[in-house]
Amino acid sequence: KNQVEQSPQSLIILEGKNCTLQCNYTVSPFSNLRWYKQDTGRGPVSLTIMTFSENTKSNGRYTATLDADTKQSSLHITASQLSDSASYICVVSQYGNKLVFGAGTILRVKS
Amino acid sequence: SQTIHQWPATLVQPVGSPLSLECTVEGTSNPNLYWYRQAAGRGLQLLFYSVGIGQISSEVPQNLSASRPQDRQFILSSKKLLLSDSGFYLCAWSVLGAASTDTQYFGPGTRLTVL
Repeated sequence: KNQVEQSPQSLIILEGKNCTLQCNYTVSPFSNLRWYKQDTGRGPVSLTIMTFSENTKSNGRYTATLDADTKQSSLHITASQLSDSASYICVVSQYGNKLVFGAGTILRVKS
Repeated sequence: SQTIHQWPATLVQPVGSPLSLECTVEGTSNPNLYWYRQAAGRGLQLLFYSVGIGQISSEVPQNLSASRPQDRQFILSSKKLLLSDSGFYLCAWSVLGAASTDTQYFGPGTRLTVL
C-alpha cells in the first residue's frame, strides 16, 4: 500500500533553535518527493522538490534530504523563526503525477 | 503571474442542504485542476481532478461531484450535505501535460462545517 508517514506529529521549539522533521514512504514507483508548508487555514505552499537522483535540496533556512534506498526524507529548519510555525507536509509522487500525502507535522515556534 | 482563488473562505451549512464551492485560476491556460479534502490530523485526500473542460475523474466514491464548465473554473458540488462532508477543501492547479516533477499550486481553501 502506498503510504507516507511523518514524524513527529507535532513539535514545539524555541525561536532560534534548529529542528528536523522526518518522512518515511512506501510509494512505488517513486517519481519525486516534495515538502510543503501550510499555514493555519491556508493552502500548502511548495518548499522543495527532489527527484530520485537528488539527495539534498535547500530553500533558504530549509534543507531537505532524500535517501531513496531507505525511502526516507527529512526537512531541517535552521535558526527557526516565529513565522516557521505551520504544518509541514511530505508529498510523494508516483509516475503519472499521482500524489500521496503525509498527515503533516505541526511545528510551533515559541519566543 | 498565476493566481488561484477559492470562495467562500468559510461556510456553515445544515445537513441535507446543497453545496457549491468555486475555484478559478488566473494567468495560465489548460491547467490540470484538483479538488482535495483535508480532515483534521489527516493528509490531503484527492477527490477529483480534471485535465480539460468537461473532463472529470473521481478518486473516491462519495457524496460530492465536480464540474469544469470553463477552462479555468472548477466547481465542487453536493445535492445533500452529510455531517462527514465537513472539512477543509482545497483546490489546486498544475501545468497540463508536464513531467511528473511538476508542482501543484494550492488555493487558500474553504472551511466547510456541516451541522
